[in-house]
Amino acid sequence: KQEVTQIPAALSVPEGENLVLNCSFTDSAIYNLQWFRQDPGKGLTSLLLIQSSQREQTSGRLNASLDKSSGRSTLYIAASQPGDSATYLCAVRIGGSSNTGKLIFGQGTTLQVKP
Amino acid sequence: DTGVSQNPRHKITKRGQNVTFRCDPISEHNRLYWYRQTLGQGPEFLTYFQNEAQLEKSRLLSDRFSAERPKGSFSTLEIQRTEQGDSAMYLCASSLGDRGLQDTQYFGPGTRLTVL
Repeated sequence: KQEVTQIPAALSVPEGENLVLNCSFTDSAIYNLQWFRQDPGKGLTSLLLIQSSQREQTSGRLNASLDKSSGRSTLYIAASQPGDSATYLCAVRIGGSSNTGKLIFGQGTTLQVKP
Repeated sequence: DTGVSQNPRHKITKRGQNVTFRCDPISEHNRLYWYRQTLGQGPEFLTYFQNEAQLEKSRLLSDRFSAERPKGSFSTLEIQRTEQGDSAMYLCASSLGDRGLQDTQYFGPGTRLTVL
């Protein structure tokens, strides 16, 4: 059974810092991995998607990496801003014969960037 | 492209009542998903449609829950005889399926259900 874990659960940093959010998964047979942002009481906004054959994806100040063999992904945020404050969720799509498209989510990391 | 929409945004009901939520996916997205999220947790998968066919249901989806996507466009999720444990955010997502290069799932704003 695929399980996704995100550490830390919460993180507080001063504005301008570079930071890394971690995601680990137990079964390396994934189809892709997606990072989302969620603001309080809102839905999810897709940030980056990494296919199983890829090692990383970049969008602006965000960079996500994927190491399937070790079951890990990281989301790197450069030059953090108060507007980055939100909960960041990692989700994996199972691959192989169970590839229905459903996502398995971690519990999220709640980030606070202080001005 | 108007995004995924969900209605209502908030629903307060008494225990034992029935509730129905609606999701309108992005047009031309053939896959539609329902997830449930409780406070402090990540979303959990409930069910999935490919066009009008419901292809997978989670064990979380008890007999009191039913979902439909009658014409392969919008979907409804009904909860019968609601219980306090059903209180959660119900999220809908849609995607192009594997016709799309990456099959990114796009989420709606959610319906917040409170059962008193």
